[in-house]
Amino acid sequence: ELKVEQNPLFLSMQEGKNYTIYCNYSTTSDRLYWYRQDPGKSLESLFVLLSNGAVKQEGRLMASLDTKARLSTLHITAAVHDLSATYFCAVDIAREYGNKLVFGAGTILRVKS
Amino acid sequence: KAGVTQTPRYLIKTRGQQVTLSCSPISGHRSVSWYQQTPGQGLQFLFEYFSETQRNKGNFPGRFSGRQFSNSRSEMNVSTLELGDSALYLCASSFWGPSTDTQYFGPGTRLTVL
Repeated sequence: ELKVEQNPLFLSMQEGKNYTIYCNYSTTSDRLYWYRQDPGKSLESLFVLLSNGAVKQEGRLMASLDTKARLSTLHITAAVHDLSATYFCAVDIAREYGNKLVFGAGTILRVKS
Repeated sequence: KAGVTQTPRYLIKTRGQQVTLSCSPISGHRSVSWYQQTPGQGLQFLFEYFSETQRNKGNFPGRFSGRQFSNSRSEMNVSTLELGDSALYLCASSFWGPSTDTQYFGPGTRLTVL
């Protein structure tokens, strides 16, 4: 059974600090997604990582994918309060057969000023 | 470009009833997926439709069903509702291609079963 594990599940950090969220998965996949969810809201797509070694950056967030280690990271640089949200990683296990995302449990991020 | 829309946004039903939720994908998107989000189980895949055919299915009982129409709009139906079906139901659409496949999520339908 595929498992997608995120850690930490809860992260409280000070503004201006750096931190990394880890996403480990247990099956072969070369397609990994990061989403953000604000309370009571839907999922907002942050990054799609499609190959080994892929690195994408948007603002203070940078995501990377190591398919050999089955690991993706979401790095937060100089956190600001607006980044407070829940972050999910998801692995697509359908690959060429369509879409079927398996999500991690989510990391609740609270940035304190 | 309009996003994914879902109707209704909120529903209250009682046990034993059935419910139909609707999803209109982004124009040009032919893949529509459904997910259930609960505090206990998190986000779980229900099924995916592409060109009116169910292409992938999750591990949910047969009470959960769906369909897709020729204009790519999709509906999901839950029959004989149980208390545990209370959840946020999210629909996602994508263009679906070999090199890029971002799934865009709608605002969700929050279903409460009493």
